[in-house]
Amino acid sequence: ELKVEQNPLFLSMQEGKNYTIYCNYSTTSDRLYWYRQDPGKSLESLFVLLSNGAVKQEGRLMASLDTKARLSTLHITAAVHDLSATYFCAVVLNDMRFGAGTRLTVKP
Amino acid sequence: DTGVSQDPRHKITKRGQNVTFRCDPISEHNRLYWYRQTLGQGPEFLTYFQNEAQLEKSRLLSDRFSAERPKGSFSTLEIQRTEQGDSAMYLCASSMGGANTEAFFGQGTRLTVV
Repeated sequence: ELKVEQNPLFLSMQEGKNYTIYCNYSTTSDRLYWYRQDPGKSLESLFVLLSNGAVKQEGRLMASLDTKARLSTLHITAAVHDLSATYFCAVVLNDMRFGAGTRLTVKP
Repeated sequence: DTGVSQDPRHKITKRGQNVTFRCDPISEHNRLYWYRQTLGQGPEFLTYFQNEAQLEKSRLLSDRFSAERPKGSFSTLEIQRTEQGDSAMYLCASSMGGANTEAFFGQGTRLTVV
């Protein structure tokens, strides 16, 4: 059965710092999504990664996919408070399976 | 609003009662997913449909749970004889075409079983 593991599960950052969230998965897949969730809200799509080596950037967030290593990363550059949220990766086979999420807090 | 719509947004029910939730996907999206999310956890896959066909069901979906998508448009998720452990956010998502395409989530139905 497909397992999706994210780390860290909790991340507290200072504004202006950089950090990377990791998403490992157990079964071959070349499709991976990243979502953001604010408290009490639903999930907002951030990135869709569809092939090995895919890299996408939006503002201070950059996501990449290495299908051979079964690894995706979400890199945060010069964090700001507005990025505080929970970030999920989801691996796609026939359906989508989610990691446990990384709860990010950006402190001034 | 042309996004994924879920109804109701909140439901409080007594243990043992039946509840039904509705999801209206984005128009022309033929894939529809149901997930359950508890506090501090990631969404857990329950089931998904391709048009009206239910293609996969999680082991989490006990025989008290049933989902339908009768005409390949909206979907319903029914929970019979609710238990306190059913308390969660129930999320619906839809996508177009195969698994390659982006999935959009509704706002969810928050169920509280008392």
